[in-house]
Amino acid sequence: AQSVTQLDSQVPVFEEAPVELRCNYSSSVSVYLFWYVQYPNQGLQLLLKYLSGSTLVKGINGFEAEFNKSQTSFHLRKPSVHISDTAEYFCAVIYDNTDKLIFGTGTRLQVFP
Amino acid sequence: KAGVTQTPRYLIKTRGQQVTLSCSPISGHRSVSWYQQTPGQGLQFLFEYFSETQRNKGNFPGRFSGRQFSNSRSEMNVSTLELGDSALYLCATSPGVSGANVLTFGAGSRLTVL
Repeated sequence: AQSVTQLDSQVPVFEEAPVELRCNYSSSVSVYLFWYVQYPNQGLQLLLKYLSGSTLVKGINGFEAEFNKSQTSFHLRKPSVHISDTAEYFCAVIYDNTDKLIFGTGTRLQVFP
Repeated sequence: KAGVTQTPRYLIKTRGQQVTLSCSPISGHRSVSWYQQTPGQGLQFLFEYFSETQRNKGNFPGRFSGRQFSNSRSEMNVSTLELGDSALYLCATSPGVSGANVLTFGAGSRLTVL
């Protein structure tokens, strides 16, 4: 079955350090890829998306992600995190134009001072 | 432009009761999707509505139902509540049903079943 895997359930990191949140998806003909962020007691907010074109996608708040078709990955990166980046991050995929968005289980990013 | 509005934000029910949650989409958004979020299962797709018709449905029992009105507002209903139904229920809307459309989420309705 097509799925989305976020290998790390929690990622602790110190402020101003770089971070990478990993996301892998099932091999497929075509995919649309998304990263969402959820702050406490809020809904999900789109960070960035890949639909086509350049494999390096830049999003809000200094985040970026790279689509790697050979490794079926879409890892999220930020060169220097801030305390305010503490949140839950979800990778999501739409496979083969099915219109159904499938979410990973989420990664909790905890930034320490 | 107003965001996606979900009501109520918090509610407490007891086992066996039923509950109705409401979602008002952004103006112009005609697609409404519902998700259940729990610590153990993450985000699980419930169903999607477009133009008052259910287009997709997740793997939930028949106790979970929904509908969409002509003004695109949507409601979901859970009957005969169980303890395991305690969750954050998220509504997400988009202009259309194409996969390229980005979902805009509401803040959610947190249901606690005692």
